[in-house]
Amino acid sequence: DIQMTQSPSTLSASVGDRVTIACRASQSISTWLAWYQQKPGKAPELLISKASNLEGGVPSRFSAGGSGTEFTLTIDSLQPDDFATYYCQQYKRPPWTFGQGTTVEVK
Amino acid sequence: QVQLRESGPGLVEPSETLSLTCAVSGYSISSGFYWAWIRQPPGKGLEWVGTINHVGASYYNPSLESRVTLSVDTSKNQLSLQLNSVTAADTAVYFCARDRGGPSQVGGWFDPWGQGTPVTVSA
Repeated sequence: DIQMTQSPSTLSASVGDRVTIACRASQSISTWLAWYQQKPGKAPELLISKASNLEGGVPSRFSAGGSGTEFTLTIDSLQPDDFATYYCQQYKRPPWTFGQGTTVEVK
Repeated sequence: QVQLRESGPGLVEPSETLSLTCAVSGYSISSGFYWAWIRQPPGKGLEWVGTINHVGASYYNPSLESRVTLSVDTSKNQLSLQLNSVTAADTAVYFCARDRGGPSQVGGWFDPWGQGTPVTVSA
């Protein structure tokens, strides 16, 4: 299985901050990577596919990039609605696997 | 707009079989796409369980393959999951979601998701 590792596990930030979450794959996945946002008690929501393609309706303060084994998700000017847990997920090869999640919390 | 809604018993006894359904609205399953089940143990991350299409072609996570069966009922426009010989480790919120690969191919990423249904395995 392809292992996905996110860092940090928890990130403390304030409204207006720029935050970056890292995701590393145990082997090359090209750009077959998605990012999801999950709020407590809710289902994950797709933010980004193909490593950097923003889904419709996702604010432009979200951006992402990377290829191979190293990926990042960046939120520019963090908003109150952005405090949540973020997961990366590879879809290069089944079984599809997720990172353990990064929780962005209020500093 | 595609919407998914999971339902299930909530509580299952150890060694029994867990059965869940996912009702799809806003899209006819028989038109295509693949559909997935993903689970999340309390306070933990996400685990892909399996994926199925409208004609029953299915793919499973090898870690669960010996115990899980996915099926579709196009007449009811719903998906089903059965997981047998459950243990406490199967306690989780179970989500169904559409695979975004396209009408006739598996993509492996998921949108939209249902709201999830919690399952507790306990005597």
